[in-house]
Amino acid sequence: GAGVSQTPSNKVTEKGKYVELRCDPISGHTALYWYRQSLGQGPEFLIYFQGTGAADDSGLPNDRFFAVRPEGSVSTLKIQRTERGDSAVYLCASSLNGAEADTQYFGPGTRLTVL
Amino acid sequence: DAKTTQPTSMDCAEGRAANLPCNHSTISGNEYVYWYRQIHSQGPQYIIHGLKNNETNEMASLIITEDRKSSTLILPHATLRDTAVYYCIVSGSSNTGKLIFGQGTTLQVKP
Repeated sequence: GAGVSQTPSNKVTEKGKYVELRCDPISGHTALYWYRQSLGQGPEFLIYFQGTGAADDSGLPNDRFFAVRPEGSVSTLKIQRTERGDSAVYLCASSLNGAEADTQYFGPGTRLTVL
Repeated sequence: DAKTTQPTSMDCAEGRAANLPCNHSTISGNEYVYWYRQIHSQGPQYIIHGLKNNETNEMASLIITEDRKSSTLILPHATLRDTAVYYCIVSGSSNTGKLIFGQGTTLQVKP
């Protein structure tokens, strides 16, 4: 079946602009996660959704970052007033219900470059 | 959060077993050990996980010590396509399922 998909695959923007990154999880998965991966580093947790609600947003670096999942499926990560330090690969993952021992399936990521 | 320690890099000859160690001395009783890998320019891929007992699936085997303070991922017959960064992660329900990635081990399989 279809895996996790993310669009766009690449996004180049200018400093100060607003961007939206989209994640389509595996159908039926209630848990959705966003991670960010800088060059040479492991992925870093940003936010976790259980259904429509953000159950853990402790990883969001500041109030320029915001994510939504209005219908409990597709999620959008929104970044306002982008900075060069926001350049990274943004990864999305989904799992069946977010329970312990639940496998997370990752998408291919969106590579964001802020000029 | 429990932390893990892995060697930065390892080499393995094609066709031989690759044994990747991981230390997690502060793991708590309800935390699982997960292994993911990331091939260049792709998202992480789940390999295997375990709580106390050794586990085996079509990809790999996971050996967890009796005291649970360390584990070893075994790829029984490494191929060139197994070249990747391998992440050992401990996670339990208190973490809301989020995965805390370290730097991982870069495994280079050589012909």
